[in-house]
Amino acid sequence: NAGVMQNPRHLVRRRGQEARLRCSPVKGHSHVYWYRQLPEEGLKFMVYLQKENIIDESGMPKERFSAEFPKEGPSILRIQQVVRGDSAAYFCASSPPGAGELFFGEGSRLTVL
Amino acid sequence: DQQVKQNSPSLSVQEGRISILNCDYTNSMFDYFLWYKKYPAEGPTFLISISSIKDKNEDGRFTVFLNKSAKHLSLHIVPSQPGDSAVYFCAAHTGGGNKLTFGTGTQLKVEL
Repeated sequence: NAGVMQNPRHLVRRRGQEARLRCSPVKGHSHVYWYRQLPEEGLKFMVYLQKENIIDESGMPKERFSAEFPKEGPSILRIQQVVRGDSAAYFCASSPPGAGELFFGEGSRLTVL
Repeated sequence: DQQVKQNSPSLSVQEGRISILNCDYTNSMFDYFLWYKKYPAEGPTFLISISSIKDKNEDGRFTVFLNKSAKHLSLHIVPSQPGDSAVYFCAAHTGGGNKLTFGTGTQLKVEL
């Protein structure tokens, strides 16, 4: 069974461009989470989604960031007009309903020049 | 507001000895606790967990202890092996969902 798949693994953007990060959960998992890890910090929760629904977006910055998990296809984390402070590793995780444990992907590392 | 705290950023242990990683939390609503291990350039991988109704859970070389009154948990690894060298994250969630709150991590180095 494939685990959580994230792409791209590395993404370089210039300030003001858009970044799109994709996440395919473990087959059969209906819950997706996005976390961000800034240099020298722990993982910070951003958003929790189920198919076509945002359940909890309390960790998402108010502007420029959005996330979706459509009925078909991967979950997308979108960052518009990127700034240098957006440089980080973005991790996606998935779980089946009711599970206590999250399964993480290998992360997408965004570098903003 | 750091609800899950790992006050030791790093720990160095000799191979074969016990590694003890500590974690404190402030939110009394947390009822499920997990430890994740992370190698550089990889995602975190689940190691072991414990429910708040227990005070100990053991899996091979790994044991997690929970002291609810002190809001403290610890991960014991014995015997420690060089392959255990990684960053260890403590995490917790409340019964309402799977959203995990992570600590800042402890870098464990197991030396030969």
